[in-house]
Amino acid sequence: DTAVSQTPKYLVTQMGNDKSIKCEQNLGHDTMYWYKQDSKKFLKIMFSYNNKELIINETVPNRFSPKSPDKAHLNLHINSLELGDSAVYFCASSHSRTSSYNEQFFGPGTRLTVL
Amino acid sequence: GEDVEQSLFLSVREGDSSVINCTYTDSSSTYLYWYKQEPGAGLQLLTYIFSNMDMKQDQRLTVLLNKKDKHLSLRIADTQTGDSAIYFCAEMRTGTASKLTFGTGTRLQVTL
Repeated sequence: DTAVSQTPKYLVTQMGNDKSIKCEQNLGHDTMYWYKQDSKKFLKIMFSYNNKELIINETVPNRFSPKSPDKAHLNLHINSLELGDSAVYFCASSHSRTSSYNEQFFGPGTRLTVL
Repeated sequence: GEDVEQSLFLSVREGDSSVINCTYTDSSSTYLYWYKQEPGAGLQLLTYIFSNMDMKQDQRLTVLLNKKDKHLSLRIADTQTGDSAIYFCAEMRTGTASKLTFGTGTRLQVTL
């Protein structure tokens, strides 16, 4: 199926651990994003990559490090996990940062729970 | 302020119209969007409007834009139970390299 996919769907881990979330899109898009949705459903962008180049980097702790091995993949690595990192993380992609209305296609989300 | 504001909750009866409101922040935003999030799923683009338009209609959906007041609304005609979801407005602020700023989300509950 053509889509934005994320793994894992659920991630439960202890404080202090390091974990990664993977994202892949097979839509041929060249821009990918990571968003964080908190328990109140507030959705905020974290990072964006265009053709493997970082173009948006919001005020995110440097424990979060995105990596884009190619334009179809954008992974998120989190070091030293904290309780406040518990959230749903969404990956998204779009055709180009210069496209007109920039429809973003979202993955199903990864629910991270830090104990 | 910095936040894109929406009311938290809206309950309507099946068959009625729903109107979800949004107040955005940047009067020079180029595009404004409505996304739908069903339980346990990601966001799906429902519709969008370019900033030089006042209204856009797409089947049961009508978007109204009041640039003077920075107010955006989404009307869903003949609301169905399948419309129950969280609805987010979003703006693309100028000079932000396709960054979307999302509203706080409105949970729509459709009752029989």
